[in-house]
Amino acid sequence: DVKVTQSSRYLVKRTGEKVFLECVQDMDHENMFWYRQDPGLGLRLIYFSYDVKMKEKGDIPEGYSVSREKKERFSLILESASTNQTSMYLCASTLGGRGNEQFFGPGTRLTVL
Amino acid sequence: KNEVEQSPQNLTAQEGEFITINCSYSVGISALHWLQQHPGGGIVSLFMLSSGKKKHGRLIATINIQEKHSSLHITASHPRDSAVYICAVRNFGNEKLTFGTGTRLTIIP
Repeated sequence: DVKVTQSSRYLVKRTGEKVFLECVQDMDHENMFWYRQDPGLGLRLIYFSYDVKMKEKGDIPEGYSVSREKKERFSLILESASTNQTSMYLCASTLGGRGNEQFFGPGTRLTVL
Repeated sequence: KNEVEQSPQNLTAQEGEFITINCSYSVGISALHWLQQHPGGGIVSLFMLSSGKKKHGRLIATINIQEKHSSLHITASHPRDSAVYICAVRNFGNEKLTFGTGTRLTIIP
């Protein structure tokens, strides 16, 4: 079974803090994704990585950065957290190529006070 | 950018009822995904299809490429089917998905 894990299920941070969200997959997938999910808006892509050290902006990259130093790990960084970044953050991975399903992590519910 | 619309947004039904959730999109796609999200957040992939019909247990997914429309059906619905069902599409030449806003399904015993 593909396993995608995220470092925390719940996280509470203060405005201005630097926040790291970690995602690890154990199936040697090329592609990894970070989404945020907000009520009424669905899942929106923040960043996407198709290989180690490669990244591509998604639909809402502002206020976020990412790091992929190893194939299995994809980190999402909030350089200076703000209250409008309170959300559910979901990581996913896929093998790549046409027609492959995405495997999701359990999500991190981040609250910024 | 592909626009993905799901209907209904919320659906409440009695146990045993036949359920249909609809998804339509605006631009031709290479694949469509149906996902299930239970309370607590975890998302599971139910189906990935690019044509025709797929069946898994009590779940059936169909897609009409010409109409740009897909449906997810649940037969003999059960309270454990209560979840949010999300449709997502992949555009040609792209690994990224565009998601609908989901349908919240509640099955009452």
